[in-house]
Amino acid sequence: ETGVTQSPTHLIKTRGQQVTLRCSSQSGHNTVSWYQQALGQGPQFIFQYYREEENGRGNFPPRFSGLQFPNYSSELNVNALELDDSALYLCASTSANDNEQFFGPGTRLTVL
Amino acid sequence: AQSVTQLGSHVSVSEGALVLLRCNYSSSVPPYLFWYVQYPNQGLQLLLKYTSAATLVKGINGFEAEFKKSETSFHLTKPSAHMSDAAEYFCAVSRNTGTASKLTFGTGTRLQVTL
Repeated sequence: ETGVTQSPTHLIKTRGQQVTLRCSSQSGHNTVSWYQQALGQGPQFIFQYYREEENGRGNFPPRFSGLQFPNYSSELNVNALELDDSALYLCASTSANDNEQFFGPGTRLTVL
Repeated sequence: AQSVTQLGSHVSVSEGALVLLRCNYSSSVPPYLFWYVQYPNQGLQLLLKYTSAATLVKGINGFEAEFKKSETSFHLTKPSAHMSDAAEYFCAVSRNTGTASKLTFGTGTRLQVTL
Protein backbone atom coordinates (compact mmCIF):
# COMPACT_ATOMS: atom_id res chain seq x y z
CA GLU A 1 0.00 0.00 0.00
CA THR A 2 1.46 3.33 -1.10
CA GLY A 3 1.17 6.21 1.33
CA VAL A 4 0.46 9.87 0.58
CA THR A 5 3.08 11.42 -1.65
CA GLN A 6 3.69 15.09 -2.46
CA SER A 7 5.75 16.89 -5.05
CA PRO A 8 7.93 18.78 -5.21
CA THR A 9 9.74 18.46 -1.90
CA HIS A 10 11.04 22.00 -1.94
CA LEU A 11 10.21 25.01 -4.06
CA ILE A 12 11.48 28.58 -4.24
CA LYS A 13 9.38 31.27 -5.89
CA THR A 14 9.36 35.04 -5.99
CA ARG A 15 6.60 37.33 -4.90
CA GLY A 16 3.78 37.62 -7.44
CA GLN A 17 4.46 34.26 -9.09
CA GLN A 18 2.10 31.32 -9.20
CA VAL A 19 2.77 27.82 -7.86
CA THR A 20 1.19 24.37 -8.18
CA LEU A 21 1.72 21.69 -5.58
CA ARG A 22 0.73 18.07 -6.13
CA CYS A 23 -0.53 15.28 -3.91
CA SER A 24 -1.22 11.63 -4.57
CA SER A 25 -3.62 10.15 -2.06
CA GLN A 26 -3.19 6.83 -0.36
CA SER A 27 -4.68 3.86 -2.20
CA GLY A 28 -8.39 3.56 -1.50
CA HIS A 29 -8.78 7.15 -0.27
CA ASN A 30 -11.16 9.51 -2.05
CA THR A 31 -10.87 12.59 0.18
CA VAL A 32 -7.93 14.98 0.20
CA SER A 33 -7.32 17.89 2.56
CA TRP A 34 -4.65 20.58 2.31
CA TYR A 35 -3.04 22.37 5.24
CA GLN A 36 -0.57 25.24 5.53
CA GLN A 37 1.99 25.08 8.32
CA ALA A 38 3.93 28.29 8.87
CA LEU A 39 7.22 28.06 10.73
CA GLY A 40 6.66 27.40 14.41
CA GLN A 41 2.90 27.04 14.02
CA GLY A 42 0.36 24.25 13.83
CA PRO A 43 -1.12 23.32 10.46
CA GLN A 44 -4.05 25.45 9.24
CA PHE A 45 -6.83 23.93 7.16
CA ILE A 46 -7.00 25.32 3.61
CA PHE A 47 -9.67 23.16 1.95
CA GLN A 48 -10.87 19.62 1.37
CA TYR A 49 -11.84 17.79 -1.81
CA TYR A 50 -14.21 14.86 -2.02
CA ARG A 51 -15.07 13.22 -5.34
CA GLU A 52 -13.56 16.12 -7.27
CA GLU A 53 -15.64 18.78 -5.48
CA GLU A 54 -14.52 21.25 -2.82
CA ASN A 55 -15.99 20.05 0.47
CA GLY A 56 -15.12 22.72 2.99
CA ARG A 57 -12.73 25.64 3.07
CA GLY A 58 -10.75 27.39 5.75
CA ASN A 59 -9.99 31.09 6.10
CA PHE A 60 -7.82 31.44 3.00
CA PRO A 61 -8.28 33.93 0.13
CA PRO A 62 -9.52 32.88 -3.33
CA ARG A 63 -6.00 32.96 -4.74
CA PHE A 64 -5.65 29.59 -3.02
CA SER A 65 -7.47 27.12 -5.25
CA GLY A 66 -7.47 23.39 -5.80
CA LEU A 67 -8.42 20.50 -7.97
CA GLN A 68 -9.07 16.84 -7.45
CA PHE A 69 -8.77 14.40 -10.31
CA PRO A 70 -10.71 11.20 -11.05
CA ASN A 71 -7.88 9.14 -9.55
CA TYR A 72 -8.31 11.26 -6.37
CA SER A 73 -4.94 12.94 -6.66
CA SER A 74 -5.04 16.66 -6.01
CA GLU A 75 -3.37 19.97 -6.77
CA LEU A 76 -3.08 23.13 -4.73
CA ASN A 77 -2.61 26.31 -6.73
CA VAL A 78 -1.56 29.61 -5.23
CA ASN A 79 -1.62 32.76 -7.36
CA ALA A 80 0.06 36.10 -6.73
CA LEU A 81 2.41 34.67 -4.14
CA GLU A 82 3.12 36.74 -1.05
CA LEU A 83 6.03 36.48 1.36
CA ASP A 84 3.67 35.14 4.05
CA ASP A 85 2.83 32.18 1.83
CA SER A 86 6.21 30.71 2.75
CA ALA A 87 5.32 27.55 4.66
CA LEU A 88 5.17 23.78 4.65
CA TYR A 89 2.13 22.64 2.70
CA LEU A 90 0.72 19.34 3.86
CA CYS A 91 -1.68 17.08 2.06
CA ALA A 92 -3.75 14.49 3.91
CA SER A 93 -5.97 11.78 2.52
CA THR A 94 -8.69 9.60 3.97
CA SER A 95 -11.61 7.49 2.92
CA ALA A 96 -14.98 9.20 3.19
CA ASN A 97 -16.21 7.00 6.03
CA ASP A 98 -13.09 7.30 8.14
CA ASN A 99 -12.04 9.96 10.60
CA GLU A 100 -8.29 9.41 10.38
CA GLN A 101 -6.29 11.55 7.97
CA PHE A 102 -2.95 10.29 6.64
CA PHE A 103 -0.41 13.00 5.94
CA GLY A 104 2.21 13.28 3.25
CA PRO A 105 5.73 14.59 3.90
CA GLY A 106 4.83 18.08 2.71
CA THR A 107 6.16 20.62 0.24
CA ARG A 108 8.35 23.39 1.63
CA LEU A 109 7.55 26.62 -0.26
CA THR A 110 9.81 29.62 0.09
CA VAL A 111 8.67 32.95 -1.37
CA LEU A 112 11.40 35.55 -1.84
CA ALA B 1 -16.29 26.58 16.33
CA GLN B 2 -13.60 24.29 17.62
CA SER B 3 -10.21 25.11 19.08
CA VAL B 4 -7.32 23.49 20.86
CA THR B 5 -4.92 24.96 23.38
CA GLN B 6 -1.60 23.32 24.07
CA LEU B 7 -0.05 24.51 27.32
CA GLY B 8 3.70 24.85 27.05
CA SER B 9 5.42 25.40 23.74
CA HIS B 10 8.53 23.63 25.02
CA VAL B 11 8.78 20.71 27.45
CA SER B 12 12.07 19.19 28.55
CA VAL B 13 12.34 15.84 30.34
CA SER B 14 15.14 13.49 31.24
CA GLU B 15 15.41 10.15 29.53
CA GLY B 16 13.32 7.66 31.51
CA ALA B 17 11.12 10.35 33.06
CA LEU B 18 7.38 10.75 32.63
CA VAL B 19 6.22 12.70 29.62
CA LEU B 20 3.11 14.87 30.02
CA LEU B 21 1.96 17.12 27.19
CA ARG B 22 -1.17 19.12 27.87
CA CYS B 23 -4.09 19.76 25.54
CA ASN B 24 -7.42 21.43 26.25
CA TYR B 25 -10.14 21.67 23.66
CA SER B 26 -13.22 23.72 22.99
CA SER B 27 -16.03 22.31 20.92
CA SER B 28 -19.76 22.96 20.66
CA VAL B 29 -20.33 19.41 19.43
CA PRO B 30 -18.91 16.05 20.53
CA PRO B 31 -15.32 16.07 19.33
CA TYR B 32 -12.88 13.70 17.84
CA LEU B 33 -9.42 14.33 19.30
CA PHE B 34 -6.02 13.43 17.92
CA TRP B 35 -2.35 13.62 18.81
CA TYR B 36 0.17 13.84 15.99
CA VAL B 37 3.96 13.82 16.10
CA GLN B 38 6.20 15.66 13.65
CA TYR B 39 9.91 14.97 13.31
CA PRO B 40 12.13 17.63 11.71
CA ASN B 41 11.46 18.17 8.03
CA GLN B 42 8.73 15.54 7.97
CA GLY B 43 4.96 15.35 7.79
CA LEU B 44 2.62 14.41 10.61
CA GLN B 45 2.26 10.92 12.03
CA LEU B 46 -0.79 9.93 14.05
CA LEU B 47 0.02 8.81 17.59
CA LEU B 48 -3.52 8.14 18.78
CA LYS B 49 -7.13 9.25 18.44
CA TYR B 50 -10.27 9.52 20.54
CA THR B 51 -13.52 8.85 18.71
CA SER B 52 -16.08 8.52 21.53
CA ALA B 53 -15.24 4.94 22.48
CA ALA B 54 -12.94 4.27 25.44
CA THR B 55 -11.83 7.44 27.22
CA LEU B 56 -8.31 6.08 27.76
CA VAL B 57 -6.68 5.73 24.39
CA LYS B 58 -3.45 3.85 23.76
CA GLY B 59 -1.31 4.78 20.80
CA ILE B 60 1.96 3.93 19.19
CA ASN B 61 5.41 4.15 20.78
CA GLY B 62 4.02 3.73 24.30
CA PHE B 63 1.95 6.93 24.33
CA GLU B 64 -1.55 7.19 25.72
CA ALA B 65 -4.10 9.93 26.35
CA GLU B 66 -7.22 10.24 28.45
CA PHE B 67 -10.33 12.11 27.33
CA LYS B 68 -11.83 14.03 30.26
CA LYS B 69 -15.03 15.76 29.25
CA SER B 70 -15.45 17.54 32.59
CA GLU B 71 -12.03 19.14 32.19
CA THR B 72 -12.20 19.46 28.36
CA SER B 73 -8.75 17.90 28.30
CA PHE B 74 -6.90 15.29 26.28
CA HIS B 75 -3.41 15.19 27.76
CA LEU B 76 -0.73 12.96 26.24
CA THR B 77 1.47 10.83 28.48
CA LYS B 78 4.27 8.31 28.29
CA PRO B 79 5.66 6.63 31.42
CA SER B 80 9.30 6.68 30.33
CA ALA B 81 10.79 9.07 27.79
CA HIS B 82 13.24 7.90 25.18
CA MET B 83 15.68 10.03 23.22
CA SER B 84 13.80 9.14 20.04
CA ASP B 85 10.67 10.85 21.42
CA ALA B 86 12.22 14.27 20.84
CA ALA B 87 9.93 15.92 18.30
CA GLU B 88 7.05 18.38 17.89
CA TYR B 89 3.67 17.19 19.13
CA PHE B 90 0.33 18.55 17.95
CA CYS B 91 -3.09 18.09 19.47
CA ALA B 92 -6.01 18.41 17.04
CA VAL B 93 -9.80 18.37 17.16
CA SER B 94 -12.41 17.66 14.53
CA ARG B 95 -16.14 17.34 14.44
CA ASN B 96 -17.62 13.98 15.40
CA THR B 97 -19.41 13.32 12.13
CA GLY B 98 -18.10 9.85 11.34
CA THR B 99 -16.56 11.17 8.17
CA ALA B 100 -13.40 13.09 7.45
CA SER B 101 -13.72 16.68 8.52
CA LYS B 102 -11.18 19.42 8.93
CA LEU B 103 -8.64 19.18 11.72
CA THR B 104 -8.05 22.19 13.93
CA PHE B 105 -4.57 22.03 15.40
CA GLY B 106 -2.93 23.53 18.43
CA THR B 107 0.30 25.47 18.14
CA GLY B 108 2.39 22.48 19.11
CA THR B 109 4.69 21.44 21.94
CA ARG B 110 8.34 20.74 21.30
CA LEU B 111 9.54 17.86 23.46
CA GLN B 112 13.21 17.78 24.36
CA VAL B 113 14.67 14.65 25.96
CA THR B 114 17.96 14.98 27.82
CA LEU B 115 20.39 12.40 29.14
